[in-house]
Amino acid sequence: DGGITQSPKYLFRKEGQNVTLSCEQNLNHDAMYWYRQDPGQGLRLIYYSQIVNDFQKGDIAEGYSVSREKKESFPLTVTSAQKNPTAFYLCASTPWGMDSLAKNIQYFGAGTRLSVL
Amino acid sequence: SQQGEEDPQALSIQEGENATMNCSYKTSINNLQWYRQNSGRGLVHLILIRSNEREKHSGRLRVTLDTSKKSSSLLITASRAADTASYFCATDPSRNYKLTFGKGTLLTVNP
Repeated sequence: DGGITQSPKYLFRKEGQNVTLSCEQNLNHDAMYWYRQDPGQGLRLIYYSQIVNDFQKGDIAEGYSVSREKKESFPLTVTSAQKNPTAFYLCASTPWGMDSLAKNIQYFGAGTRLSVL
Repeated sequence: SQQGEEDPQALSIQEGENATMNCSYKTSINNLQWYRQNSGRGLVHLILIRSNEREKHSGRLRVTLDTSKKSSSLLITASRAADTASYFCATDPSRNYKLTFGKGTLLTVNP
């Protein structure tokens, strides 16, 4: 099955700890995104990457870091500098290099729920 | 600030009724999308309407777009309990394939 896999489904972070959320896709998509969703809220963009070895900050990048060493993978690290990390984190991807409409449609993983111990 | 804002925030209807939710946005757009999110899950793309289109259909979904009023509506006809979910509109105000999502409408369809 083609799709986006996020792991783990649930994650707990201790004070001062960095944690890494995994996002893997086998859709051969070029662009990948990380969003944060708080209860009753919309999605806010953390980081995005349109090509391997390149990524840009979104609206709320402080306290987060990413890497894009492989096309299939875009892990997100929530660092100890993020003081309020409890949220639902969503990874998405889109094809790139195709027609402009296709590049607008995002495909999402099932999410990782992060809580603080 | 949010580009898209859905209205109402929550909507509760009976199975078989139609559900209408609205989205308003602030800047000009190339297109507008609607996504659905079941509780605790990722978003699923439903439909995309271009700025030069006024109406689009997909199964029981009907989307309208009024660029003069900067608004869109999503109509779900003959709703089912399985339609219970949050519905988000999304736009690309910067025209660089970075979507901006509204806060969503929580639709509850009672059997």
